[in-house]
Amino acid sequence: NAGVTQTPKFRILKIGQSMTLQCTQDMNHNYMYWYRQDPGMGLKLIYYSVGAGITDKGEVPNGYNVSRSTTEDFPLRLELAAPSQTSVYFCASKRDGEETQYFGPGTRLLVL
Amino acid sequence: QKEVEQNSGPLSVPEGAIASLNCTYSDRVSQSFFWYRQYSGKSPELIMSIYSNGDKEDGRFTAQLNKASQYVSLLIRDSQPSDSATYLCAVITYQAGTALIFGKGTTLSVSS
Repeated sequence: NAGVTQTPKFRILKIGQSMTLQCTQDMNHNYMYWYRQDPGMGLKLIYYSVGAGITDKGEVPNGYNVSRSTTEDFPLRLELAAPSQTSVYFCASKRDGEETQYFGPGTRLLVL
Repeated sequence: QKEVEQNSGPLSVPEGAIASLNCTYSDRVSQSFFWYRQYSGKSPELIMSIYSNGDKEDGRFTAQLNKASQYVSLLIRDSQPSDSATYLCAVITYQAGTALIFGKGTTLSVSS
């Protein structure tokens, strides 16, 4: 049972490039979340999903897109990378009816 | 905009002392409160959850909740150098798939 896994661990992007941050969980959790954490700050919600095929925006969705075609996977897409998207990205999941979220190890993204 | 406020610190205590971390929240309907510990470069790790007014103890950790004052605290007794980390206070928002709203975190440093 690997829990929540994220790839890559670290990536450097040039301005205008695109990439997909991968998130997979093997706990059969319906709820999945993407957060970003800027230096010295708490985590902010980007997008969330309550089940396969259902996604919605969080507090800071601009510049990102998500999809949820399976229960296990919740990829986050950056289409045109900007320096403001330099951050650490955390994926999390939880079971329906419970409140404890399980976090992945994070992806550190640097946009230059 | 629902908010969670924490003193960013740093909070410095000697080994063996009690560390007191505080958090206030703006949404009066919040029901579920969490304390996460985050070591540098790592993902948040849940250490305490509290749902009812009063105290909840788990080993060296005590969470305290006062809904009337919209105040949550975390006490760490017999602080150890290994407790040195950033502590994030979080509240569930029922408007975004029960995602978490995080404070900016308080950095704790325990000196030996």
